[in-house]
Amino acid sequence: KQEVTQIPAALSVPEGENLVLNCSFTDSAIYNLQWFRQDPGKGLTSLLLIQSSQREQTSGRLNASLDKSSGRSTLYIAASQPGDSATYLCAVLMDSNYQLIWGAGTKLIIKP
Amino acid sequence: DAGITQSPRYKITETGRQVTLMCHQTWSHSYMFWYRQDLGHGLRLIYYSAAADITDKGEVPDGYVVSRSKTENFPLTLESATRSQTSVYFCASSDDGMNTEAFFGQGTRLTVV
Repeated sequence: KQEVTQIPAALSVPEGENLVLNCSFTDSAIYNLQWFRQDPGKGLTSLLLIQSSQREQTSGRLNASLDKSSGRSTLYIAASQPGDSATYLCAVLMDSNYQLIWGAGTKLIIKP
Repeated sequence: DAGITQSPRYKITETGRQVTLMCHQTWSHSYMFWYRQDLGHGLRLIYYSAAADITDKGEVPDGYVVSRSKTENFPLTLESATRSQTSVYFCASSDDGMNTEAFFGQGTRLTVV
């Protein structure tokens, strides 16, 4: 059974720092991996989608990498801002049934 | 307004009552999904639909019923609510279910007392 783990569960850093959020998964038979952002009381917003054949995707200050063989993905946030404060979730889409399996998220706080 | 909307945003119901959560999307996406989010479990898929009149079970379907008579609507019904169904429910849609990103509603916070 696929398990998705995100470490750390919470992270607090000063504004301006570059930071890395981690996501690991136990079953490498994935179709793609997605990173989402969740703000309190709001829905989830898709940030980046990486197909299993890709190594990374970039959007603005965000860069996501995927190492399928080792079961790892990282989300790199450059020059962090207070507006980046949110919970970041990763999810893998399974090859077998095309269902998303989710990590529990990393709660990120950027201090001004 | 374009997008995906859920209603109600908040709901308190009693054990044993039937309650329906509504989801409406304006993009004509083929795929729609219902998830529940609980502390310590992340999001878990309840049901999904690949097209109108096509639905399938997810990871935690027991106690829930869905229907999809129109592409844009995907209601979720709790036939006899239990306290364990207290959760935040999210509806999502995507164009093809695989290669494109999913778009989420703002969620419905359901409390069963």
